[in-house]
Order: sequence, then structure tokens, then C-alpha cells
Amino acid sequence: GAGVSQTPSNKVTEKGKYVELRCDPISGHTALYWYRQSLGQGPEFLIYFQGTGAADDSGLPNDRFFAVRPEGSVSTLKIQRTERGDSAVYLCASSLTPTSSNTGELFFGEGSRLTVL
Amino acid sequence: AQSVTQLDSQVPVFEEAPVELRCNYSSSVSVYLFWYVQYPNQGLQLLLKYLSGSTLVESINGFEAEFNKSQTSFHLRKPSVHISDTAEYFCAVSPAAAGNKLTFGGGTRVLVKP
Repeated sequence: GAGVSQTPSNKVTEKGKYVELRCDPISGHTALYWYRQSLGQGPEFLIYFQGTGAADDSGLPNDRFFAVRPEGSVSTLKIQRTERGDSAVYLCASSLTPTSSNTGELFFGEGSRLTVL
Repeated sequence: AQSVTQLDSQVPVFEEAPVELRCNYSSSVSVYLFWYVQYPNQGLQLLLKYLSGSTLVESINGFEAEFNKSQTSFHLRKPSVHISDTAEYFCAVSPAAAGNKLTFGGGTRVLVKP
């Protein structure tokens, strides 16, 4: 596609519910990143995929958070037993080459705003 | 690990006036440095970056940033701002040997007033 697409753009849920957030990266981008941006703060790294595998999941806050990218394209961030503190904008980004020819240009989606009541 | 500090959370500025957004970082390894911008109702987009070479880097819309290794800074400047520069600006770093895993600062909101 033309850019990184994230759905839904807004999600309101109740505490304890399960949520899935979807990211469709730019076609051909092998690297995919999830970030979380809380109100008034900068984006915080969650997880990074190279192809189908999670190359670095050190930013996931706890085991309620999980992400998959089964075919190396679309990714889904899954949050179990949501808590009010999970409320944030979840950003997805993709890039062409993640390592030795790092250019630093991540292409971001507009984010999924999650509100946990 | 890396960290980034943006000293100003908000910067109001009049149209055609200069602006400087401050960014300091800490890291035990060599880093690449970036400024990203987020315009209202849009996603983050890369404004400019420093990877190597000349320490002064420029964007296509008149912003520039200078990498100062001794002061661990990467301040962003523009000599004359436009209304359209109203946005939130994020400074970010990544380890030079570890791909595009960015650590962001808290952001500086620039409001350009007529």
C-alpha cells in the first residue's frame, strides 16, 4: 500500500477485555516495529520483527502483551486482560532494511488509540 | 541503553521568528541521531538524520541540526518559522550497530503564532 495502515484507529474497551490491533506495513518492508505513546510522552519501543520472527521483544511491558507477524507482512498486537494503564496510542512502523544499512527512516502509521475504561 | 532528553515540552513562537529545540542524549555506544515531526492528525515522519560525516544536517524545509559529540546534543533550529511548522517534534537515537530501534525523547510541541 501507499503507507503504513493501522486498524482500528480508535478502540474503546473495558478493563479485563482482550484487544487486537492490526498493522499493515508498506509493501516490501521487511522490518516492522510497534511503539506505544502515552499522553504527553514520546513513543516507547515495544517489539521489532524482521520477517516473521520477533528479533527484539524487550520493550513488551509484561506477558499480557503479544505480537505476531505470521507471513512476514501484516502484524497483530494482542493485549490480554486490558488495564486502564494500557490506554495509549499504539504506533506501528516499517522499514526496508533494519541492520547494517540502517538509514533510520521508519515509516509510521497514524496509530491506534486505545482507551481502557 | 540510550536515553533522550528534550528540555522544552512546549515552544510558542511567532511566525518568521527563529526557533531552537534542544535535544540531549546519553549512550555508552555510538549512535545515530534523528528528528521526527508529527503534524496535527498525521503520523510521525522523518525530518532529518545524522549518521556520519558532516555534523550539520539539513531538511528540505529549512530546518537544520548539529551533532555535538562532546556535549551529546543534537539541537534543531530554523531561522524563520511558518505557521505550517506547527507540530510536535521528537528527537531520537539508535545504536549505530543495532538497526532502527529508536529511543525517543518526550517531544517538543511548537506552536507558531501569526
